[in-house]
Amino acid sequence: AQSVTQLGSHVSVSEGALVLLRCNYSSSVPPYLFWYVQYPNQGLQLLLKYTSAATLVKGINGFEAEFKKSETSFHLTKPSAHMSDAAEYFCAVSFGGYQKVTFGTGTKLQVIP
Amino acid sequence: ETGVTQTPRHLVMGMTNKKSLKCEQHLGHNAMYWYKQSAKKPLELMFVYSLEERVENNSVPSRFSPECPNSSHLFLHLHTLQPEDSALYLCASSQVLSIGQGARDNEQFFGPGTRLTVL
Repeated sequence: AQSVTQLGSHVSVSEGALVLLRCNYSSSVPPYLFWYVQYPNQGLQLLLKYTSAATLVKGINGFEAEFKKSETSFHLTKPSAHMSDAAEYFCAVSFGGYQKVTFGTGTKLQVIP
Repeated sequence: ETGVTQTPRHLVMGMTNKKSLKCEQHLGHNAMYWYKQSAKKPLELMFVYSLEERVENNSVPSRFSPECPNSSHLFLHLHTLQPEDSALYLCASSQVLSIGQGARDNEQFFGPGTRLTVL
């Protein structure tokens, strides 16, 4: 069975500091991996996805994530946090096709001025 | 309209009311989903429709009744709900298996959600 674990339900960073949101997955075969962002009272928006091409994936708003098979990780990073990055972030895993997407429990990012 | 739209955005209903949530996707996708998002709980997949057939029903109470009349529209009919059903209901769509293209990664596109409050 597939699953994702997001370490830390809340993360606080200062404006301009590095953002690191952690995601580890459990899967017996190479999965597809996603990061979504949710702003208050809105739906989820795709930030980036890994589909077995490049292991370093660049997304929107300056975010990127690196797929590390040996660590079963797909952590999300951004070099310099902006106030507008304050939101909830979800990691998700899928085997594609008709297989369902399994979401992590989410990490709320707070950016301190 | 573009992407995935949901109406209404907010709904307040009593436990004896009957109401419906509507979702429409303008992306040409062939699968649609209903999710429930409650405070301090993981996103819960409720129903999946692929090619207008229900392919997954995750032990959802019968007071929730989905309907998918075509590949672009998805409804969630609500009746005799409980206060614990108050949540954000999210609709999503994706392009799954395509003839001649094989399996896709199942990237899901979400609507803005309906905030439901049951009194």
